[in-house]
Amino acid sequence: NAGVTQTPKFQVLKTGQSMTLQCAQDMNHEYMSWYRQDPGMGLRLIHYSVGAGITDQGEVPNGYNVSRSTTEDFPLRLLSAAPSQTSVYFCASSYNIFRARTYEQYFGPGTRLTVT
Amino acid sequence: KNEVEQSPQNLTAQEGEFITINCSYSVGISALHWLQQHPGGGIVSLFMLSSGKKKHGRLIATINIQEKHSSLHITASHPRDSAVYICAAENSGGSNYKLTFGKGTLLTVNP
Repeated sequence: NAGVTQTPKFQVLKTGQSMTLQCAQDMNHEYMSWYRQDPGMGLRLIHYSVGAGITDQGEVPNGYNVSRSTTEDFPLRLLSAAPSQTSVYFCASSYNIFRARTYEQYFGPGTRLTVT
Repeated sequence: KNEVEQSPQNLTAQEGEFITINCSYSVGISALHWLQQHPGGGIVSLFMLSSGKKKHGRLIATINIQEKHSSLHITASHPRDSAVYICAAENSGGSNYKLTFGKGTLLTVNP
């Protein structure tokens, strides 16, 4: 298994540009999520999905869109990049979280995004 | 105020020392996660526990639900243990799920 993969690893955007960060997992995990990590702050949840066709907002969703058309893929879209979105983005996945058990999170390697 | 607080923020140790990192949380949880992040970014899950104690090699994690406190211990520390250690409180149930992260503890182990 490749686990959780993210592309690209690095990206530089100009203010106002749009782009999609890709995330895929091959573990048949139902739960997938996107976090951003900024200096001096803990990981913060942007959006999450509990299964194909179902997405919901996290703590910091503004400026980001997501979709979940398949179990494997969970892309994160920046519609109009802003310097405040400069950050490191992590995708994570886990088994179904609603089966009265808790499961460990598997993280992708991260995408370092700079918006100038 | 973050619902999950870690201490210390930074920790420097000599190789072989016993390390303790603390995590306190202010809300009821379903589980407590400990994660490791090496320089360069990758995040790996170390432990997930809802009661008692877990051990994996030189790493030990404990949790006291009544006191809302968890600790991560590293015995016989080694320079390769140098990393950021992050705790995260999980709240799940019904249709809700939330993972709240601490800011991390930067551990440096010198040879």
